[in-house]
Amino acid sequence: EAQVTQNPRYLITVTGKKLTVTCSQNMNHEYMSWYRQDPGLGLRQIYYSMNVEVTDKGDVPEGYKVSRKEKRNFPLILESPSPNQTSLYFCASSLGGVSNTGELFFGEGSRLTVL
Amino acid sequence: RKEVEQDPGPFNVPEGATVAFNCTYSNSASQSFFWYRQDCRKEPKLLMSVYSSGNEDGRFTAQLNRASQYISLLIRDSKLSDSATYLCVVNMAGFQKLVFGTGTRLLVSP
Repeated sequence: EAQVTQNPRYLITVTGKKLTVTCSQNMNHEYMSWYRQDPGLGLRQIYYSMNVEVTDKGDVPEGYKVSRKEKRNFPLILESPSPNQTSLYFCASSLGGVSNTGELFFGEGSRLTVL
Repeated sequence: RKEVEQDPGPFNVPEGATVAFNCTYSNSASQSFFWYRQDCRKEPKLLMSVYSSGNEDGRFTAQLNRASQYISLLIRDSKLSDSATYLCVVNMAGFQKLVFGTGTRLLVSP
């Protein structure tokens, strides 16, 4: 089954404790992206990647890191989480970018709470 | 001003009703337009693309007005299963980023 898989789905952590949210897709998609969704603000892009070893900042990259060592994986790293990073995070992928088709395939989301 | 603005709703309609949502976007360089659907606590999914000539998919009709910079979604004969949040999404030419509106919530009741 074609899918985008995120882990963990739910996490409660404390300020400053490094964490990684993994994302994997099995559709051989070139483009991958991370979004966060907050009430009243909608989905905002954190980082995206057009291909292996190619990553770029989105609208809200501060406090996050990403890597794209393999095509299928695009982990999101919070080196020192803070309470303002409490949010619902979505990983998404697309075959060749979003500028034409606009179709992003989303993971089920990871709800992160930072105390 | 937000790049993409939507009325958050909720729109409460009975089954069988016709309901329309509008969305405005601020950047005239926007090139591609879409509607996504998001069920409660679930991931967004593409509902349909929006073309300049307008397009229809079953009970759903999407239209684009570039001059006024708004996009619309019309749902006819609403079903209970249409209850969801509808996200207006815009992309600018050359940018690998979809800009999402905050969504309009629809509640269809029996």
